[in-house]
Amino acid sequence: GESVGLHLPTLSVQEGDNSIINCAYSNSASDYFIWYKQESGKGPQFIIDIRSNMDKRQGQRVTVLLNKTVKHLSLQIAATQPGDSAVYFCAEMSHQGGKLIFGQGTELSVKP
Amino acid sequence: GAVVSQHPSRVICKSGTSVKIECRSLDFQATTMFWYRQFPKKSLMLMATSNEGSKATYEQGVEKDKFLINHASLTLSTLTVTSAHPEDSSFYICSALGQAAGVLTFGAGSRLTVL
Repeated sequence: GESVGLHLPTLSVQEGDNSIINCAYSNSASDYFIWYKQESGKGPQFIIDIRSNMDKRQGQRVTVLLNKTVKHLSLQIAATQPGDSAVYFCAEMSHQGGKLIFGQGTELSVKP
Repeated sequence: GAVVSQHPSRVICKSGTSVKIECRSLDFQATTMFWYRQFPKKSLMLMATSNEGSKATYEQGVEKDKFLINHASLTLSTLTVTSAHPEDSSFYICSALGQAAGVLTFGAGSRLTVL
């Protein structure tokens, strides 16, 4: 079956620390993955993406890791700042299906 | 950059009335638009996929007659919640897939409250 939304887990970190947010996906045919940040009352904001032919991709302060063997995706945020506080969602898409399915989100709280 | 506009951002209506939400791609043409629904503290649930000029493809469990989707042009898709009831209260979000670059952009969402 496809990933469905569940209750949001939370992650609390101290400002300046690194954050790691994990996501498990269910569709083996998914070949494109995206991390989104969503602030309260707003739409999802693109952070970083990765294709299935890669296992790591880096952006500014963010890194996405993909482990296709165990269908696991992670988002690493370096030197976490208060402005990073939000809900983070992973999303998966297959070239065949063409639709973007969201996984379980994680609420990140950054303590000053 | 690609911008998607949703209108209205907030709407309150009485039970039994119908509400239309618009999703517009402002600076690009979108062959495909997606409609999502989100409850508080939950993930985004895909409702339907809308292709310009054709009927929308609804996800399992989504009532076609309840949530009418029209994608009349390459820049506009509408979602109409018909005969709305309090349980339809939710945050509705659209996203648009650019025809050329394949960029997927999300709108800011529309909060529907049915009294």
